Amino acid sequence: ETGVTQTPRHLVMGMTNKKSLKCEQHLGHNAMYWYKQSAKKPLELMFVYNFKEQTENNSVPSRFSPECPNSSHLFLHLHTLQPEDSALYLCASSQDWTGVAGELFFGEGSRLTVL
Amino acid sequence: QKEVEQNSGPLSVPEGAIASLNCTYSDRVSQSFFWYRQYSGKSPELIMSIYSNGDKEDGRFTAQLNKASQYVSLLIRDSQPSDSATYLCAVNAAGNKLTFGGGTRVLVKP
Repeated sequence: ETGVTQTPRHLVMGMTNKKSLKCEQHLGHNAMYWYKQSAKKPLELMFVYNFKEQTENNSVPSRFSPECPNSSHLFLHLHTLQPEDSALYLCASSQDWTGVAGELFFGEGSRLTVL
Repeated sequence: QKEVEQNSGPLSVPEGAIASLNCTYSDRVSQSFFWYRQYSGKSPELIMSIYSNGDKEDGRFTAQLNKASQYVSLLIRDSQPSDSATYLCAVNAAGNKLTFGGGTRVLVKP
């Protein structure tokens, strides 16, 4: 396994379901991120974890709940989502979260559809 | 005003020509600037980073930064069909946040 892997790649869920997205990085990085990519909108930063500690919550609704048990794994727990939450959810990692942090390594994304 | 602004395109260029992409940003204290390439259905990948005013060349790619005018550009020389993708400008602004523009779609026609 190399790089950043995300599972599942595709997910369809109803508004009352509970599901989780998983991300694993094999790069030895210390910072991990969740981004949301919607059609015709810029990438939106959701959460940042640095050395397993959450350092950024970009005003994300509580129906999205992140979990970072260690520096290699990141989860995004989903419950009672809305159709407008349908998007590509990208996990990324970087060596650390510093003032020049910009070299992000992205996973292939999880395409979420909320019915 | 958008924090990082790009023309959405598509920017259509003939094979072998130069593709010129522009990006403007609003936060004057920004220090780090990046270009990511995203193929359709794929995730973004970093292709260039630039931190100081002037030009930075890497193969067929040249990044140009002008902090006084708050813009950063990307030139793709000898454009190939494989360069057809969306190019995302990203700026590291205040609070260590990496902010992305909406991307410019580039189409290189054989």
